[in-house]
Amino acid sequence: NAGVMQNPRHLVRRRGQEARLRCSPMKGHSHVYWYRQLPEEGLKFMVYLQKENIIDESGMPKERFSAEFPKEGPSILRIQQVVRGDSAAYFCASSRDGMYDYEQYFGPGTRLTVT
Amino acid sequence: DAKTTQPPSMDCAEGRAANLPCNHSTISGNEYVYWYRQIHSQGPQYIIHGLKNNETNEMASLIITEDRKSSTLILPHATLRDTAVYYCIVKPTGKLIFGQGTTLQVKP
Repeated sequence: NAGVMQNPRHLVRRRGQEARLRCSPMKGHSHVYWYRQLPEEGLKFMVYLQKENIIDESGMPKERFSAEFPKEGPSILRIQQVVRGDSAAYFCASSRDGMYDYEQYFGPGTRLTVT
Repeated sequence: DAKTTQPPSMDCAEGRAANLPCNHSTISGNEYVYWYRQIHSQGPQYIIHGLKNNETNEMASLIITEDRKSSTLILPHATLRDTAVYYCIVKPTGKLIFGQGTTLQVKP
């Protein structure tokens, strides 16, 4: 059973460009979470999605960031007009359910570098 | 969301048991205690979780006090590959809230 897959693993963008990060959850998982880890900082929750629905986006920056998890295909985290401060590792996790006792499994992350 | 308190760092000799403590005195009755670790800059790895009974799997054991205000993660025979940051998380529904964790250094 393949784990959570993220691509690309490394992404370089110039300031002002768009970044698209993809996440394919584990088989049988319909809940996806995105987390960000800035250099030398801790992991911060960004957004929680269930198929076609955003459940919790309390950690998403108000501008330039969006996320989706369509009925078919991977979840996408989109960052428009990237700035240097967006350089970070972005991790996706998935779970079978969002309730208390369902663990989340993480992907290897996408390292975004903005030049 | 319940808050957890962990020591910032610990050392352990290779082959010995590593016991990582966590305080979560404001935990609610239906919240689970989860443990994850992050090795270097890899994606966090799920270790174990529990509600009120002690739990054991192939990676570790989790001991939760009767009042549920604290817990201990036990790695029975630590190896150099267990060097990582260990996070104790009290999980409501949905998101995980990561604190600073405990940096465990396993030494030869």
